[in-house]
Amino acid sequence: AQTVTQSQPEMSVQEAETVTLSCTYDTSESDYYLFWYKQPPSRQMILVIRQEAYKQQNATENRFSVNFQKAAKSFSLKISDSQLGDAAMYFCPLFGNEKLTFGTGTRLTIIP
Amino acid sequence: GAVVSQHPSWVICKSGTSVKIECRSLDFQATTMFWYRQFPKQSLMLMATSNEGSKATYEQGVEKDKFLINHASLTLSTLTVTSAHPEDSSFYICSAGTPATNEKLFFGSGTQLSVL
Repeated sequence: AQTVTQSQPEMSVQEAETVTLSCTYDTSESDYYLFWYKQPPSRQMILVIRQEAYKQQNATENRFSVNFQKAAKSFSLKISDSQLGDAAMYFCPLFGNEKLTFGTGTRLTIIP
Repeated sequence: GAVVSQHPSWVICKSGTSVKIECRSLDFQATTMFWYRQFPKQSLMLMATSNEGSKATYEQGVEKDKFLINHASLTLSTLTVTSAHPEDSSFYICSAGTPATNEKLFFGSGTQLSVL
């Protein structure tokens, strides 16, 4: 079985500051993918960033970057220059063994 | 970018009736689609994996006779909630594709089901 743990139910950050969301996982698969999705109040799931497990280089996407520590099974998301539109629920699902497993999510609040 | 269309976005029905939810991949072929259920302020729980041309694979605890899944084409999967009851009220989301096959994993906009 594969599991995803997001230990921060809620986080808040001042606008324009940087925040890091934590995510750890466990899987017996050697080939898997990790994602960060945001879910705003509209409840549409929006892809933020993805990481293939076989790639050592951390993925980046504009203001979003990950710190992928494969040995530690850690996959944190750093949001730089936080904006009001970043406020949402953030999930870091793992895709392995042909299925996507979600953690409990982190609710991010941006303070103006 | 790739789009997954889910319809309807919300539905209200009487207890005992059946409701069908559609999930379409609009610009790519999806051999695999996933159905999730999300309770308020909770995470997404995988209900079943839908494979084109074959029977769906259900997660433990999900009643396959209540949640009928059909994946008749490479662009369409349907979830039918049969004999719906108030406890089936929830937000249902589909996703299409897998990162392993076509690097796509996009979500529909979800369906809010309310059973009276």
